[in-house]
Amino acid sequence: DVKVTQSSRYLVKRTGEKVFLECVQDMDHENMFWYRQDPGLGLRLIYFSYDVKMKEKGDIPEGYSVSREKKERFSLILESASTNQTSMYLCASSPLDRAGQPQHFGDGTRLSIL
Amino acid sequence: AQSVTQLGSHVSVSEGALVLLRCNYSSSVPPYLFWYVQYPNQGLQLLLKYTTGATLVKGINGFEAEFKKSETSFHLTKPSAHMSDAAEYFCAVSAPYSGGGADGLTFGKGTHLIIQP
Repeated sequence: DVKVTQSSRYLVKRTGEKVFLECVQDMDHENMFWYRQDPGLGLRLIYFSYDVKMKEKGDIPEGYSVSREKKERFSLILESASTNQTSMYLCASSPLDRAGQPQHFGDGTRLSIL
Repeated sequence: AQSVTQLGSHVSVSEGALVLLRCNYSSSVPPYLFWYVQYPNQGLQLLLKYTTGATLVKGINGFEAEFKKSETSFHLTKPSAHMSDAAEYFCAVSAPYSGGGADGLTFGKGTHLIIQP
């Protein structure tokens, strides 16, 4: 089974801090994604990556950056955390074949910015 | 651009009754469609997917969905609800992003399924 592991289930940070959310997958998938989930809004794509050192903006990239130095690891960075970034963050991965491959999700990181 | 509409943010059914969760999509290309389920404090788990071929798709836990191109719909059904089906359900369409090698997913806002004893 594909395993997508997010480093923290719950995280509390303060406004202005630099925050790192880490995600690791063990299935050698080329594609990795970061979403945020908010009540009534569903999931929205922040960034994705289809190869090491490659990144593409999703629908809501403002206030975020990403890093992919190794194929199995995809990091989401909040450069200066703000309260409106309090949310559930979900990481996902999928193989490179674009023919309708499903994404596999981690259990999420619930981030609170105080 | 792709979009997904899920009718009803909350759906309540009695245990043993039919479950019907509605999903309509818009897509400028032939779509790939997915249903995911999310149990409390967990990530999303794939229930089923439609790519090509048979329009009636069977998934895990007794769920199935039918792709109807003429209606741009992909409704999720289960003949008999069980208490363990209580969860959040998301419909999603695969959305090719220009300039990238990956397909992101565009999600509906989710439907919370409540099972009454």
